Amino acid sequence: AQKITQTQPGMFVQEKEAVTLDCTYDTSDQSYGLFWYKQPSSGEMIFLIYQGSYDEQNATEGRYSLNFQKARKSANLVISASQLGDSAMYFCAMREGWGTYKYIFGTGTRLKVLA
Amino acid sequence: DGGITQSPKYLFRKEGQNVTLSCEQNLNHDAMYWYRQDPGQGLRLIYYSQIVNDFQKGDIAEGYSVSREKKESFPLTVTSAQKNPTAFYLCASSIGPTSGGATSYEQYFGPGTRLTVT
Repeated sequence: AQKITQTQPGMFVQEKEAVTLDCTYDTSDQSYGLFWYKQPSSGEMIFLIYQGSYDEQNATEGRYSLNFQKARKSANLVISASQLGDSAMYFCAMREGWGTYKYIFGTGTRLKVLA
Repeated sequence: DGGITQSPKYLFRKEGQNVTLSCEQNLNHDAMYWYRQDPGQGLRLIYYSQIVNDFQKGDIAEGYSVSREKKESFPLTVTSAQKNPTAFYLCASSIGPTSGGATSYEQYFGPGTRLTVT
């Protein structure tokens, strides 16, 4: 069965340091997409970064990078130079297959950035 | 500005009443989705729609109903049959996988509606 696992319920990081949020996934499809979203306390989900299963290079978007290890089925989010505004819930998600509209989400990691 | 609007932000209802949550998008997206989020949990898919006048059940559709009469609108009705309706409801949209050019098809989310049923 398709599944996303985030094993870290909560994380702390000092301001200006880097932090890695873990995500592992399980799918039998060869074609899939992996996403990270940020959910501040306001509740809205904000798209951060995407990695396609056939992409050879790790995705980067500003201070966000995705450490994609296909053989290990992991897609960890790395946030560099953490800022106080990064404090939020972070969700890993997967879109299965090509031409599918179904996305599944992990249970999230709550990140707290310390001043 | 393009985006997704959900109204109202907070909604209170008595048990046994049906309630409809609004979701409107002006992003010209084909696909729209409804998710439910409970405290400390991820998002669970209720319904999704690929095109006008068509929609599919997600993982937790029981006690909910939707319609898609216009591309821009995808309202969700929480019926009295839903056993535990109190939750945070998020609407989202995305470019359909049949659209040319895009490769990621990320979802864009509305601000959510927090429903409390007593």
